Amino acid sequence: GENVEQHPSTLSVQEGDSAVIKCTYSDSASNYFPWYKQELGKGPQLIIDIRSNVGEKKDQRIAVTLNKTAKHFSLHITETQPEDSAVYFCAASIRSGGGADGLTFGKGTHLIIQP
Amino acid sequence: ETGVTQTPRHLVMGMTNKKSLKCEQHLGHNAMYWYKQSAKKPLELMFVYSLEERVENNSVPSRFSPECPNSSHLFLHLHTLQPEDSALYLCASSQDRGQGWYEQYFGPGTRLTVT
Repeated sequence: GENVEQHPSTLSVQEGDSAVIKCTYSDSASNYFPWYKQELGKGPQLIIDIRSNVGEKKDQRIAVTLNKTAKHFSLHITETQPEDSAVYFCAASIRSGGGADGLTFGKGTHLIIQP
Repeated sequence: ETGVTQTPRHLVMGMTNKKSLKCEQHLGHNAMYWYKQSAKKPLELMFVYSLEERVENNSVPSRFSPECPNSSHLFLHLHTLQPEDSALYLCASSQDRGQGWYEQYFGPGTRLTVT
């Protein structure tokens, strides 16, 4: 089955600096890669996703890049703010022929924004 | 709010108890999921329902029994659990149109403690 590795497990950056979280996946058939943000006491919230036919996607301060050859994808957050502090999860999935598909998640990165 | 609600938010049960977790989605989706989130482990997919039929059972012990009576409701029936089953149980939903991947939206979770 699919295996997703995520690094680092903890990332501390100064407010205003950029943060980068990296993930690798094992199954070359994976074709959907979402990123989730989880705040304390809440469920994961989808913040951005990318499909395998795209190399990069950007939404305001958040961007995701995908390298299918190397089987890795990254989340980039620019101009970090205190409200960006949370746990971030990457995930991967194989879109099969029919029906819904579950996600395989990384272990998460605890992002800490230092004021 | 994501449009996915879960009750109860917290549950403490003994190993001989029987309890049920409830999930309701108000998004008009046709697929629903149960995930388990344990400390220091990735989110683990447990069950997937698409159009009220179970399409995936991810090698989950039989002491966990899902039920999906309609596309808006999902239950997880629990009996004779073990202390290692203590975790955050997350429900998610998505709209599967059979043509590609669509986003999964998570509820806030039920924090389960087995004593």
